[in-house]
Amino acid sequence: DTAVSQTPKYLVTQMGNDKSIKCEQNLGHDTMYWYKQDSKKFLKIMFSYNNKELIINETVPNRFSPKSPDKAHLNLHINSLELGDSAVYFCASSPSAGNQPQHFGDGTRLSIL
Amino acid sequence: QKEVEQDPGPLSVPEGAIVSLNCTYSNSAFQYFMWYRQYSRKGPELLMYTYSSGNKEDGRFTAQVDKSSKYISLFIRDSQPSDSATYLCAMRYVSGGSYIPTFGRGTSLIVHP
Repeated sequence: DTAVSQTPKYLVTQMGNDKSIKCEQNLGHDTMYWYKQDSKKFLKIMFSYNNKELIINETVPNRFSPKSPDKAHLNLHINSLELGDSAVYFCASSPSAGNQPQHFGDGTRLSIL
Repeated sequence: QKEVEQDPGPLSVPEGAIVSLNCTYSNSAFQYFMWYRQYSRKGPELLMYTYSSGNKEDGRFTAQVDKSSKYISLFIRDSQPSDSATYLCAMRYVSGGSYIPTFGRGTSLIVHP
């Protein structure tokens, strides 16, 4: 059973489009995260939700909007996609917002044409 | 200067060698230190997690933290071809009650038979 699953795995789209990435975890965790891994492999946190409440919001353009309908899901919607948005986006979860290990999904590879 | 510096490699070693992977950091607020392993096209998986200065051992892996020098290391004994992956160091500091993670860019390790 996949613990943290993301869909789609690959996303190729045109500049200016709007797209969403979905994440679901079946670990019963309270906290979920979105990370961006750029072409140089730097992994940077974007957002974190704890029990559906936003607790971490790093310097991210407001074209990116996370949504957590429940504890097990955290989706990422991106408006007006730009070339610089091309990256691998990882979802992760942890038991709580405290100092807990994070479990990562396998990523969504977003390519902007 | 990035907050966390990590040589991207690649580091190529023969099977059975002892591998040393390192990161340096500049932010003295970092309190928690982790090592993740990331296989190609997969999400990072947690290998080691430590808080205090000193050594922590788990099987073939030893994590070392020197807070005074702002330097952390991961040693892999009796390296295997299956250890070939990218190894990311990560650190956390506390801000507003949240644990903010910062990752190094990862070191690519190749263990050849």
